[in-house]
Amino acid sequence: DAGVTQSPTHLIKTRGQQVTLRCSPKSGHDTVSWYQQALGQGPQFIFQYYEEEERQRGNFPDRFSGHQFPNYSSELNVNALLLGDSALYLCASSLGEGYTFGSGTRLTVV
Amino acid sequence: QKEVEQNSGPLSVPEGAIASLNCTYSDRGSQSFFWYRQYSGKSPELIMFIYSNGDKEDGRFTAQLNKASQYVSLLIRDSQPSDSATYLCAVTHRDDKIIFGKGTRLHILP
Repeated sequence: DAGVTQSPTHLIKTRGQQVTLRCSPKSGHDTVSWYQQALGQGPQFIFQYYEEEERQRGNFPDRFSGHQFPNYSSELNVNALLLGDSALYLCASSLGEGYTFGSGTRLTVV
Repeated sequence: QKEVEQNSGPLSVPEGAIASLNCTYSDRGSQSFFWYRQYSGKSPELIMFIYSNGDKEDGRFTAQLNKASQYVSLLIRDSQPSDSATYLCAVTHRDDKIIFGKGTRLHILP
């Protein structure tokens, strides 16, 4: 049973560029949440998708957007990258409560 | 506004002793409480969840919840060097959003 898979694992981008991160949830899970984790910090909630709709959103600017597809997979898009966007981006899927996390995408903005 | 608070540590505990990790939360309407373990460079892994006041035991781990005091803790008995990690407390808000604390670094001394 595949867990949550994220791609790519590492990414280096230049300020001002755009990036797309991808997530496939655990089999049977219908809800996908995205988190940003800066070094030494806890994961910060970006948004959550359920039934292809953004259900909840954290305190992140509109530069952060997402999408969920009919197969429950999800994308996180970040426009106009800033140096401060450098972090580990975690995708978590759930069916009910308790999240299962993917291994994350390490984004470095230079 | 601090929603989920944890002592960042590091908390140093001798091998074989009991490690006690604590967490407080601000939203009295919080429903569910989780403890995640995160090794350096890895994604969070769910250890325990608890919904009701009192204790919940799973192997060497015990989660304790006191909703009146808005306090949740994790006890690790017979601590092992492999327990050295960052422990994240997470709380489900009224809107089903899971909010994480910054985590406590635990170091088990051989």
